[in-house]
Amino acid sequence: GQQLNQSPQSMFIQEGEDVSMNCTSSSIFNTWLWYKQDPGEGPVLLIALYKAGELTSNGRLTAQFGITRKDSFLNISASIPSDVGIYFCAGRYYDNAGNMLTFGGGTRLMVKP
Amino acid sequence: EAGVTQFPSHSVIEKGQTVTLRCDPISGHDNLYWYRRVMGKEIKFLLHFVKESKQDESGMPNNRFLAERTGGTYSTLKVQPAELEDSGVYFCASSQGTGTREAFFGQGTRLTVV
Repeated sequence: GQQLNQSPQSMFIQEGEDVSMNCTSSSIFNTWLWYKQDPGEGPVLLIALYKAGELTSNGRLTAQFGITRKDSFLNISASIPSDVGIYFCAGRYYDNAGNMLTFGGGTRLMVKP
Repeated sequence: EAGVTQFPSHSVIEKGQTVTLRCDPISGHDNLYWYRRVMGKEIKFLLHFVKESKQDESGMPNNRFLAERTGGTYSTLKVQPAELEDSGVYFCASSQGTGTREAFFGQGTRLTVV
């Protein structure tokens, strides 16, 4: 099946620093999504990307859908303590079977005030 | 509007016992998905309902897992008998219609099999 390699697995940064994480795959996807999971909660959608090359921002977050359709990155600028959590990338390839998501392994972000 | 709700939030059972997880999707959402995250690994797809029909159950690990969605409303996921490797967080998600409407996730059920 399809697999997503997400890196880094964890990051421990100082408040105010910028953060970058990415996902790569050997397969192409039609959609790339980025989620954040807070402790005890489910994943919450941050950014959705539907077109190769698309660059989208949501406040301090910026994500891009790679031109090859096999990768995506998420940047967080000027991190704050509430950015702490696990960030997941997810890809979707539409086929006759439906629209299930394939997730990366997650990036655990820790922010030191 | 209520989000996707899952019950229970935590469950600790002994190996060999049966556990039933429940998911109430957002009202009006035809699509309902089950996913699972085993400790430290990626979130993996289990299955997808469209209303009461199973659209895709390719991610179900084995026949100890049974999912139902009678009447196309809430869904249950039963694990019988539970094994140690079934421990993890089970997420339910729901979405409206088809196409690019993204799914909303519930808070998950943390299952621990001891």
